Amino acid sequence: DTGVSQDPRHKITKRGQNVTFRCDPISEHNRLYWYRQTLGQGPEFLTYFQNEAQLEKSRLLSDRFSAERPKGSFSTLEIQRTEQGDSAMYLCASRYPGTYGYTFGSGTRLTVV
Amino acid sequence: TQLLEQSPQFLSIQEGENLTVYCNSSSVFSSLQWYRQEPGEGPVLLVTVVTGGEVKKLKRLTFQFGDARKDSSLHITAAQPGDTGLYLCAGETSGSRLTFGEGTQLTVNP
Repeated sequence: DTGVSQDPRHKITKRGQNVTFRCDPISEHNRLYWYRQTLGQGPEFLTYFQNEAQLEKSRLLSDRFSAERPKGSFSTLEIQRTEQGDSAMYLCASRYPGTYGYTFGSGTRLTVV
Repeated sequence: TQLLEQSPQFLSIQEGENLTVYCNSSSVFSSLQWYRQEPGEGPVLLVTVVTGGEVKKLKRLTFQFGDARKDSSLHITAAQPGDTGLYLCAGETSGSRLTFGEGTQLTVNP
C-alpha cells in the first residue's frame, strides 16, 4: 500500500464548471477526511466519513459541495458551479481506527479562472 | 470554535541556530499533533502528544504538550537547511476532526 492517493494533482477549470476529485485512502483505514487549504493558511476541515457514513460536515461545505464514499473505500468530492474563491489545495487524509495519526495525500490543487 | 494560534508565523534563521515554535489555544485537546508540509505536498505527521506535560523527542526535534493540554511547543536544536518547511500544529477533540493552526514557515539558511 503506497499511502493516500489523490487524483488529479492539478485541475484548472473555468468559473461555473463542475469538478470532481478522487481520494483513495490506505485500505485498512476506515476514517477518511477532506480538508481545504489556501495559501499561507493551515488546512480547514470540510467533512469526514467513517466507512461509508458521512458523520460530520463543516459549515464551509456549502450546497455546491458534495462528498461521497459509496463503498467505504475511495471517496469523491464534487464542486458544482465553481467560483474563484474555491481555488485552493484540497487534501484527503485517512486514519486507522484507534490511532491518532492522520496520513494525508499529496492533494489536488484547484485553480478556478 | 476551537482556534489554534501558532507563533511565529514566519521564521528565518541560520544553519546551526535553535528555534522554538509555539501553539496555543483556549480549548483542551485530547491529542495534539505536529505536521511538516513541503510545497505542493500534503502534511506529514511528525509526532502526536496525548498526555499533559508529555515530552517527545525526534532526533533534533523536541515536542512538549502543556500540562492543561491546551498548548504545545516544538523546539529544534541546531537547525539544518533540510528542516525548512511549513510546520503545523493540529488539535483533536472527541476523536473526530483535526483543527489546524495557521502554520509556521521555517527557512534555514546555509
